Amino acid sequence: AQKITQTQPGMFVQEKEAVTLDCTYDTSDQSYGLFWYKQPSSGEMIFLIYQGSYDEQNATEGRYSLNFQKARKSANLVISASQLGDSAMYFCAMREGRVGNAGKSTFGDGTTLTVKP
Amino acid sequence: GAVVSQHPSRVICKSGTSVKIECRSLDFQATTMFWYRQFPKQSLMLMATSNEGSKATYEQGVEKDKFLINHASLTLSTLTVTSAHPEDSSFYICSASGTASNQPQHFGDGTRLSIL
Repeated sequence: AQKITQTQPGMFVQEKEAVTLDCTYDTSDQSYGLFWYKQPSSGEMIFLIYQGSYDEQNATEGRYSLNFQKARKSANLVISASQLGDSAMYFCAMREGRVGNAGKSTFGDGTTLTVKP
Repeated sequence: GAVVSQHPSRVICKSGTSVKIECRSLDFQATTMFWYRQFPKQSLMLMATSNEGSKATYEQGVEKDKFLINHASLTLSTLTVTSAHPEDSSFYICSASGTASNQPQHFGDGTRLSIL
C-alpha cells in the first residue's frame, strides 16, 4: 500500500530564509507522481509542484523546488526566500499510475509552516 | 490552471436537515471527482470517488446512505449530507482531475458545515 510520511508537524522559518519540508513515501509501483499542495488558513488547496517518478531532474516552480531522491524515496519541498504569505499547511501527496486505481491520491499528515517577520 | 467551484462555502443548519454541496469544474471535463472530509489541523480523508454517469465508490467506513454522491455530468458532482447531525460538522472539499499519475488535483475552496 502507498504511504506518505511527513515527520514535521510544525516548522518555523525567518522571513527571507529558505526552508525544507520533508516528505518520504512508500510504493511498490514504478510509475507514480509526487505533488505538494499548500493550504492556507482559509482552507483552499493550492497545487505547488509536481515530480514524476521517471523525471531525472528536480522540479522547480519559482521559489519552490522539489529535492527528489528516488533511492531514498524522499521528495522534500524547498521554499526559498520565505515570505509571510507562505505561512500555511503543506501537504505532500502521491498518485500511482496503477490501472484501476482511479487516480486516488495519498496525502501525508501535513506540515504547518510559520514564517516569522 | 483548472478551476473548480464549490458551493456553498459555509453552511450552518439545524440537526436533521439535509445539506447539498455542489462541485463544478468550470473549464474542463472531469470524469472523476473526489470528495474529502477534513478535521482541523489534520489531513484530507477521502470519502468517495465520483465517476460521471455511474455510482460513486465509497471508502471503507463511509456511510453511503448518509453521504449521497451524484455525478450527473462531466462538470458537476454533488454531495448531500442527509439528516445531518452535529458529528457531521466538518470541512468538506472536492477535487477534480484526470486519473493519470502526472495530473495534479484541482480543488474547490471547500465547504465549512456546522450542524447545530
